[in-house]
Amino acid sequence: NAGVTQTPKFQVLKTGQSMTLQCAQDMNHNSMYWYRQDPGMGLRLIYYSASEGTTDKGEVPNGYNVSRLNKREFSLRLESAAPSQTSVYFCASQTGSGANVLTFGAGSRLTVL
Amino acid sequence: RKEVEQDPGPFNVPEGATVAFNCTYSNSASQSFFWYRQDCRKEPKLLMSVYSSGNEDGRFTAQLNRASQYISLLIRDSKLSDSATYLCVVNNRGGSYIPTFGRGTSLIVHP
Repeated sequence: NAGVTQTPKFQVLKTGQSMTLQCAQDMNHNSMYWYRQDPGMGLRLIYYSASEGTTDKGEVPNGYNVSRLNKREFSLRLESAAPSQTSVYFCASQTGSGANVLTFGAGSRLTVL
Repeated sequence: RKEVEQDPGPFNVPEGATVAFNCTYSNSASQSFFWYRQDCRKEPKLLMSVYSSGNEDGRFTAQLNRASQYISLLIRDSKLSDSATYLCVVNNRGGSYIPTFGRGTSLIVHP
């Protein structure tokens, strides 16, 4: 059982380049999330999808777009990368009930030069 | 004011010590509470849920105080392997459940 799978694990971009982080879960979870983690800042929510077909902004959505492609997949796109987007990105999913826990992917380390 | 606040530490304790962390939250409508553990450069993983009556899992005890809006984590008989960052997570209901993280408390257990 793979859980939550994120790709790529590492990526280096130049300023202005675009890229998409992929996330897939095989647990039949309804809700999926994208967080970024920076030193001293904890995990901050970028976007989330409460169910297939819906997406909403989190705390730090600027510079990002998302797509909930189907129940399994939730992608995060950087249209024009900036150095401020250098971070570790985590995808997570949960069933959608508030009492249930988050399962995280292993993370994607992105560096924007 | 950040919605979920934690002392970043680090808490530097010897093996065998007892250590406690607190986490305060600002949204009185918060509905569920968790402690996660994160090892360096790894993803967070659930340590334990926090129930209103308090709960224990081996050396770990979690408490919730709704009146004062804080949760706590107590670790007894600390092990070297307990060294990690401990993240407080609060689920708020805003149409859907949105997990909000504290910045984490760093624990270093030394021999």
